[in-house]
Amino acid sequence: AQSVAQPEDQVNVAEGNPLTVKCTYSVSGNPYLFWYVQYPNRGLQFLLKYITGDNLVKGSYGFEAEFNKSQTSFHLKKPSALVSDSALYFCAVRDSGTYKYIFGTGTRLKVLA
Amino acid sequence: DTAVSQTPKYLVTQMGNDKSIKCEQNLGHDTMYWYKQDSKKFLKIMFSYNNKELIINETVPNRFSPKSPDKAHLNLHINSLELGDSAVYFCASSLGGRGHTEAFFGQGTRLTVV
Repeated sequence: AQSVAQPEDQVNVAEGNPLTVKCTYSVSGNPYLFWYVQYPNRGLQFLLKYITGDNLVKGSYGFEAEFNKSQTSFHLKKPSALVSDSALYFCAVRDSGTYKYIFGTGTRLKVLA
Repeated sequence: DTAVSQTPKYLVTQMGNDKSIKCEQNLGHDTMYWYKQDSKKFLKIMFSYNNKELIINETVPNRFSPKSPDKAHLNLHINSLELGDSAVYFCASSLGGRGHTEAFFGQGTRLTVV
């Protein structure tokens, strides 16, 4: 069965420092991986996705993610964090041919001024 | 121009009541979903429709009944509401079942059962 794991409930980082939010996945076929962000009392907003090709994927708001097949990871990164990046981040996987998006448990990112 | 819109945004109701949540998308997508987010922020899929056909029906009590009158709409009706139904319910849509397309989410409906 497909699954994703986000090992950190919370990540704290100082403003201006690089940030990483971790995600590992388990799928039976080709992985399609996504990152979403949720601000308080809002829906999920799509940030970026990995389908195939270049292992470094660039997305919205300066975020990028690195796909690593051997480590089955898809970590979210940003070179310089902003206080406004503070939110709940979800990694998701969708196995090829299925309709279901399976989400991780979420990681709360707190960027400190 | 809201892509995926849900109504109502907040719903407070008593145990035992029946309520509905409506969802509409104007993205031209053919697949729609209902997700439940609990108090710990876990997201779990409940249902999915593709071209008005039910394709995903997770282990959800029979009190929950989705209805898709057309590709752009997916409603959720809940009978005999229980305290444990309190959660945020998200509607989402995507283009088909092909794995590489992302889903777009509505703003959520916060259901509180008292």
